[in-house]
This record gives sequence, structure tokens and C-alpha cells, in this order.
Amino acid sequence: GAGVSQSPRYKVAKRGQDVALRCDPISGHVSLFWYQQALGQGPEFLTYFQNEAQLDKSGLPSDRFFAERPEGSVSTLKIQRTQQEDSAVYLCASSHQRGGTTDTQYFGPGTRLTVL
Amino acid sequence: RKEVEQDPGPFNVPEGATVAFNCTYSNSASQSFFWYRQDCRKEPKLLMSVYSSGNEDGRFTAQLNRASQYISLLIRDSKLSDSATYLCAVNPMYSSASKIIFGSGTRLSIRP
Repeated sequence: GAGVSQSPRYKVAKRGQDVALRCDPISGHVSLFWYQQALGQGPEFLTYFQNEAQLDKSGLPSDRFFAERPEGSVSTLKIQRTQQEDSAVYLCASSHQRGGTTDTQYFGPGTRLTVL
Repeated sequence: RKEVEQDPGPFNVPEGATVAFNCTYSNSASQSFFWYRQDCRKEPKLLMSVYSSGNEDGRFTAQLNRASQYISLLIRDSKLSDSATYLCAVNPMYSSASKIIFGSGTRLSIRP
């Protein structure tokens, strides 16, 4: 079956531009997560949705980062006024259940953002 | 101190060898533990969850030591295809139930 998909796969932005990254979770998955992975590091948690509710946004690095999931399915991560330090791979993951501690999170292929 | 720490490696071992690496976590209240595998320029994929009693899946064995706050991964009879980065992940249980904290990963390279 279809896994988590993300688009675009690659994005190059000039410093100061706004970008929008899209995530299509596995159909029927309740929980959706965004992570940021810098080169040579593990993924770092950004935010978590249960259906359309954003339950945890403690990992968003600044108010330039905003995420939404208005209909409880597709999610968009928006970064305003991009900076060079925003360059990273942005990973989306989804899980079936309501955020149980043993849920398996399935990751999408990521969007590689490069800010020049 | 990072919440989840791993030796970055690289571990470079011959095919057929046994290799093990550890991961330490700082929050003693952590409840769930995982090993993920990540190939170069690919997304992380769950390798195995780690249970209190330890668990085995083929050539892979995971152990949890709560007293010393570390988890381990043992790979027996290593294959060339095992070359990847292995990410340790922990649910710290101090905020949302689903938040997972990853280590920086341990790079493993299997040579012929």
C-alpha cells in the first residue's frame, strides 16, 4: 500500500523566502509528526498532530515555523523568511493510533531544503 | 548533556562479524525504546522496538538496562547489507505521549 509521501522532495530557497512543505500520511493514520534532520544528526522532533489538533509544537525552533493539518489528513509545514540554518531534511511520519507510546511511526522520504 | 546519546562511529567490521553498540538516555521515566535503521539519503525505518525483557529478531538482539539507562543492539553474522546508520530512539514521556527523541546515530560499515 501507499506509504507516507512528501513534496517537494528537494527545495532550494533564497534566504528570506517563504516555503511550504507538504506531507500526505498513510490513509487512516490518526497521528502525524514533523521532524528536522540536519546533516550527520538524528531527526529532531518539531510538532505532532492528532487528527487536526496540534497537540505538541514544543520542537518548533522559532515563530517562523508553522504547521497545520486542517482536515486531519494532509499537513503542511511552512517556514517564513527562511534562514541558512533552516537547511535540513524535513521528515514527516504518521502512525495509526492515537499517539500510544508503542506506536510505530512510518516516515516519508523527506524534503531536503537548501537555503542559499 | 543530550537526552539520547550514541557513539557516532563509524564501526567498520568484516562480513560475518558480530557488532554491538549502545545508546544511553537521560530521562529515567522513559517508557518506550526503539532502534531505527537509516540508509544514506533515505528515511529512518523501524528496525525493532526494545522491550524490558530484551528481544531478538533473527540476527538482531536488543536489550534494555533500566538501572544504567542504556539500550543496546547486537548484530550477529553481519552482512554487507547491514551497512547503514542505526538510530536509537526514546519516548521520554514528559510531554506528549508520542514525542520521540532520537540519538545522532551510529554509522556501521561492513566490509567484504
